[in-house]
Amino acid sequence: EDQVTQSPEALRLQEGESSSLNCSYTVSGLRGLFWYRQDPGKGPEFLFTLYSAGEEKEKERLKATLTKKESFLHITAPKPEDSATYLCAASANAGGTSYGKLTFGQGTILTVHP
Amino acid sequence: EAGVAQSPRYKIIEKRQSVAFWCNPISGHATLYWYQQILGQGPKLLIQFQNNGVVDDSQLPKDRFSAERLKGVDSTLKIQPAKLEDSAVYLCASRDTHKADTQYFGPGTRLTVL
Repeated sequence: EDQVTQSPEALRLQEGESSSLNCSYTVSGLRGLFWYRQDPGKGPEFLFTLYSAGEEKEKERLKATLTKKESFLHITAPKPEDSATYLCAASANAGGTSYGKLTFGQGTILTVHP
Repeated sequence: EAGVAQSPRYKIIEKRQSVAFWCNPISGHATLYWYQQILGQGPKLLIQFQNNGVVDDSQLPKDRFSAERLKGVDSTLKIQPAKLEDSAVYLCASRDTHKADTQYFGPGTRLTVL
């Protein structure tokens, strides 16, 4: 069974204090590893897709990296507006009916204080 | 480009009542998903449509949940009868099957069952 686990469950940072969020996955043949941001009362907002170990993607203060077992979301010099829940999800290379199915982690709640 | 639309945004019902949620995906997206997100957890896939056919409904509680996607565009998810444990946010997502793996989410419907 595909599994995705995120840590920590919650992270409190001071503005400007860089840190990383972890996503561990167990998937039979990873097709893609996705990061989403979710603000309270809203649906998940797409951030990145990573396809192969060693791949990195950046957007503003966020950088996502991928290894064969984990993905990291690095946040550099965060601002209060970066406060949100960050969700990690994996899709498997299983053909047919499982194609495109995302297995989500439970999320990391990030709070950035001014 | 308009995003995924969902309605209603909020719904409160008594247990054993029925409820229906509506989703309009991004124009041209052939694949549509319904997810259930319980408070403090990541989204869990309920059902996946490709055009108007069901691709995966293995995690849909079929004794009480049903979904349809007539004409391959809008979709409706129904719960009948509702239980207390159905209280959650119901998210709809869509994907352009021929272009990318990314799923785009709507704002969700928050259901409270009393």
